[in-house]
Amino acid sequence: EIVLTQSPATLSLSPGERATLSCRASQSVDNYVAWYRQKPGQAPWLLIYDGSVRATGVPARFSGSGSGTDFTLTITSLEPEDFAVYYCQHRFTWPLTFGGGTKVEI
Amino acid sequence: DGQLVESGGGLVQPGGSLRLSCAASGFTFRTYDMHWVRQTTGKGLEWVSAIDTAGDTYFPVSVKGRFTISRDNAKTSVSLQMNDLSAEDTALYYCARASFRRGPFDLWGHGTLVTVSS
Repeated sequence: EIVLTQSPATLSLSPGERATLSCRASQSVDNYVAWYRQKPGQAPWLLIYDGSVRATGVPARFSGSGSGTDFTLTITSLEPEDFAVYYCQHRFTWPLTFGGGTKVEI
Repeated sequence: DGQLVESGGGLVQPGGSLRLSCAASGFTFRTYDMHWVRQTTGKGLEWVSAIDTAGDTYFPVSVKGRFTISRDNAKTSVSLQMNDLSAEDTALYYCARASFRRGPFDLWGHGTLVTVSS
């Protein structure tokens, strides 16, 4: 199976700062990576799919880039609701897998 | 945009069985592939099953042979039958809708908790 490794595990930032999150795949997944934000007690929320496409209703401060094995999620200016855990996930082939998550904390 | 509501979770003994259900509403259910994803504190998110619009099913090795997934388009629901459960299956189980082939998951339920313990 394809292993997704997210880094860093924890990112300590302040509101208004820029966040850069990384997701590395153990083999090429083309551009088939999605990113989710999960707040405590809630289900994950789709932010980005196919590497760089913002999902419906996602603010413009979220952007995704990358292809092959290296992917990045950038949040240009952190809002209070962005302090949460972020997961990447591939849909290149079965089985689908998720990364271990990056916690963005204040 | 739609809603998914899971049910059927609970406490079950090791080796036991449990059936989870997911009721869908607010979208054309028969045109979407549906998935189950679970979340544990230690292992994060783990995909556990999928059923496509044709009724074909997919599972990771960790649950293959123990879990089955089915759908009822008339009732707009998807079910997960889990057999031979172990402590490693303890998790919050989410039902999720896939936008395209194999994802991504653009609609999630609130989850139903499964605890496997004696």
